[in-house]
Amino acid sequence: EDQVTQSPEALRLQEGESSSLNCSYTVSGLRGLFWYRQDPGKGPEFLFTLYSAGEEKEKERLKATLTKKESFLHITAPKPEDSATYLCAVRYLGSGSEKLVFGKGTKLTVNP
Amino acid sequence: NAGVTQTPKFRILKIGQSMTLQCTQDMNHNYMYWYRQDPGMGLKLIYYSVGAGITDKGEVPNGYNVSRSTTEDFPLRLELAAPSQTSVYFCASSSRAYEQYFGPGTRLTVT
Repeated sequence: EDQVTQSPEALRLQEGESSSLNCSYTVSGLRGLFWYRQDPGKGPEFLFTLYSAGEEKEKERLKATLTKKESFLHITAPKPEDSATYLCAVRYLGSGSEKLVFGKGTKLTVNP
Repeated sequence: NAGVTQTPKFRILKIGQSMTLQCTQDMNHNYMYWYRQDPGMGLKLIYYSVGAGITDKGEVPNGYNVSRSTTEDFPLRLELAAPSQTSVYFCASSSRAYEQYFGPGTRLTVT
């Protein structure tokens, strides 16, 4: 069973059509949840870190929120340049040491 | 700042060959990491380092080796390349064990 699950795997939106991406996790002892953006052929680019339930972070059209077992990346009025794969990662305390696990990502396509 | 740089960008290896993937960061970060990314899969941690002279295995270390003689450099060595090592390799660094900054990646094909 995956410890970090992202849904949907792929999402197509029209420009201006707001939506949300989901990252759910099953681990205990959360030390942080991270969102990254990855463009084709490039390395992931850091977006946000969330540490506790109820926390929210915003950057331009993106807002990340965190509950006890999942995080949402809300995209408001997206533009074509928001097209990318969005990755989430969870850092947690497991077997006496900190571990970091990445989800498989959600590929977002925004059509003009 | 260049951030995290990786060389080469692309490489084709024959089965059984060896090579070193280079990674350098200029942000004075203590933590450095090597990941591999396969299509449809999440990033998998190969090795990591919390400072010069200190390295440790990640989730998928078999077939790889690392060293960390300086803060800036964290090379990844592939010995006896196998087709299963065909992947995109990313190096990353962080100032603490939190948000990581990634390099542009090395696309490796083993045939």
